[in-house]
Amino acid sequence: AQSVTQPDIHITVSEGASLELRCNYSYGATPYLFWYVQSPGQGLQLLLKYFSGDTLVQGIKGFEAEFKRSQSSFNLRKPSVHWSDAAEYFCAVVGGGADGLTFGKGTHLIIQP
Amino acid sequence: KAGVTQTPRYLIKTRGQQVTLSCSPISGHRSVSWYQQTPGQGLQFLFEYFSETQRNKGNFPGRFSGRQFSNSRSEMNVSTLELGDSALYLCASSFGQGDTGELFFGEGSRLTVL
Repeated sequence: AQSVTQPDIHITVSEGASLELRCNYSYGATPYLFWYVQSPGQGLQLLLKYFSGDTLVQGIKGFEAEFKRSQSSFNLRKPSVHWSDAAEYFCAVVGGGADGLTFGKGTHLIIQP
Repeated sequence: KAGVTQTPRYLIKTRGQQVTLSCSPISGHRSVSWYQQTPGQGLQFLFEYFSETQRNKGNFPGRFSGRQFSNSRSEMNVSTLELGDSALYLCASSFGQGDTGELFFGEGSRLTVL
């Protein structure tokens, strides 16, 4: 069965600084990979996805992620964070169609002024 | 275009009761998935419906059930509520089958079981 690990439970970044959130997955074949964001009291919003092809994918709100098969990673990056980026970020994988999306436990992003 | 609508947003029940949650997907979307979100277990897949048929089911007891109507609206039901069922229940819709992962989520129904 597939699994997703987000090693960082909390990350604090200063406004304007760069950001990288880590995600490692476990799946036998090439997975479909996603990053979702959840603001307080809200549902989840899709930031970006990787299905195949170019391993660097661009998403909304200035986010990008890079798929590295050799490291089983799909890290999320943003060159300069804004206070409005404070939220919970979830990495997810789907494969085989049997179990829906498998989510990581999430990384809580705190933005310092 | 209206988003995914879940009702009710908040509800309180007692142990042993049952609850029904409703989800209206984005117009034209035929797939509805349900997820449970708790602080301890995170986000867990409950089930997915596509064209009124359950496609997939997660690892939850039979007390958790759902259905989808011909207009794609979906309901989930939890019977004989337990304290551990307290959670945010999220509904998500997609145009095609949900295993492409491109899901549009509602804001959730927060269930508290006392």
